[in-house]
Amino acid sequence: NAGVTQTPKFQVLKTGQSMTLQCAQDMNHEYMSWYRQDPGMGLRLIHYSVGAGITDQGEVPNGYNVSRSTTEDFPLRLLSAAPSQTSVYFCASYRAGANVLTFGAGSRLTVL
Amino acid sequence: EDQVTQSPEALRLQEGESSSLNCSYTVSGLRGLFWYRQDPGKGPEFLFTLYSAGEEKEKERLKATLTKKESFLHITAPKPEDSATYLCAVRGLNNNDMRFGAGTRLTVKP
Repeated sequence: NAGVTQTPKFQVLKTGQSMTLQCAQDMNHEYMSWYRQDPGMGLRLIHYSVGAGITDQGEVPNGYNVSRSTTEDFPLRLLSAAPSQTSVYFCASYRAGANVLTFGAGSRLTVL
Repeated sequence: EDQVTQSPEALRLQEGESSSLNCSYTVSGLRGLFWYRQDPGKGPEFLFTLYSAGEEKEKERLKATLTKKESFLHITAPKPEDSATYLCAVRGLNNNDMRFGAGTRLTVKP
């Protein structure tokens, strides 16, 4: 099992550009989520999904879109990047009833 | 709103010098308190889950304890490979939202 796979690991964008961070898991987990990690602030939940076709907002959803067409994939879209979105992004998943998040290795995004 | 505060922000220990990390929390209906370890450039890795006051979990040199307001991660005779950032998180009534603290960055010098 590869676990949770995120791509790309690093990305530099200019203000106003759009991009998609990819996340895939091969553990058949129902729940998937996106967090951002900023110095001194801990991990903050952006969006989550409890199953294919179902998504919801977390603590800091503004500026981000998600969709969940399959159990395996949960992409995070930035439609118009802003410098405030410079951060490290983590995708995580867990199986319903297991309660423990498995994280990907992270994607470091810089917006100039 | 669920909140988690970890202290200290950073801790430097000599190899073999035992200490504790603190996680204070406020949550509506605790459904689990979690400890994760994060190495530089990597995602967090799960260590422990605690569910009720008085519960304790151990793994090698680490022991996690839980009260109604805080959790401690005790590190006994640490080694340099224990150097990492340790994250605390809680899951409350909103079962889909896990709230994380900012972490404690631990450095163990040989």
